[in-house]
Amino acid sequence: DSGVTQTPKHLITATGQRVTLRCSPRSGDLSVYWYQQSLDQGLQFLIQYYNGEERAKGNILERFSAQQFPDLHSELNLSSLELGDSALYFCASSEGIQADSSYEQYFGPGTRLTVT
Amino acid sequence: GDSVTQMEGPVTLSEEAFLTINCTYTATGYPSLFWYVQYPGEGLQLLLKATKADDKGSNKGFEATYRKETTSFHLEKGSVQVSDSAVYFCALRFGGTSYGKLTFGQGTILTVHP
Repeated sequence: DSGVTQTPKHLITATGQRVTLRCSPRSGDLSVYWYQQSLDQGLQFLIQYYNGEERAKGNILERFSAQQFPDLHSELNLSSLELGDSALYFCASSEGIQADSSYEQYFGPGTRLTVT
Repeated sequence: GDSVTQMEGPVTLSEEAFLTINCTYTATGYPSLFWYVQYPGEGLQLLLKATKADDKGSNKGFEATYRKETTSFHLEKGSVQVSDSAVYFCALRFGGTSYGKLTFGQGTILTVHP
């Protein structure tokens, strides 16, 4: 158990809908990362937050957004869902901002999103 | 941009066989390199890492050496077990303004038979 929790474990929804994925980082971790794992794109970095502020953006679609709250949990919002958004969404947390690459990222178990 | 390429899979081995999973990277500068493992139905776990050239990362019998001259970080294990069956990801990471985001290879599925 990494200490990172993600809810829900599974989500099935229809095209055009909006969903929210939730992540609680390990106790004391200030950084949260979101990654998407799909069959065609592999594992891709989406976005990172540090202590409530967005710090880095990857291949995140405009239909997707995220935020980190004062209690450090994070939510990833996916809207106008398409079939191609079906994927496993991972959250990871780390202690610091990793300017020196020394902080390990701990991954949650993921949320499997199925868009029908 | 930065990228990681892993050997094509899946890889199927018998128990106690020798394992090599090749990983090469393309990057400007000198990233930290990682191997992550994903067991069925679980998230990713860090297996080992190396932060500079010629460093050797090791854990649970797995080893990988950071080779700057060949931009490689091949994963090896002398004797695999059935419990090693999983998906293995090679990844790189920069600090600084990249803020530590991981760039992953496509993953290699390993199946070990008794």
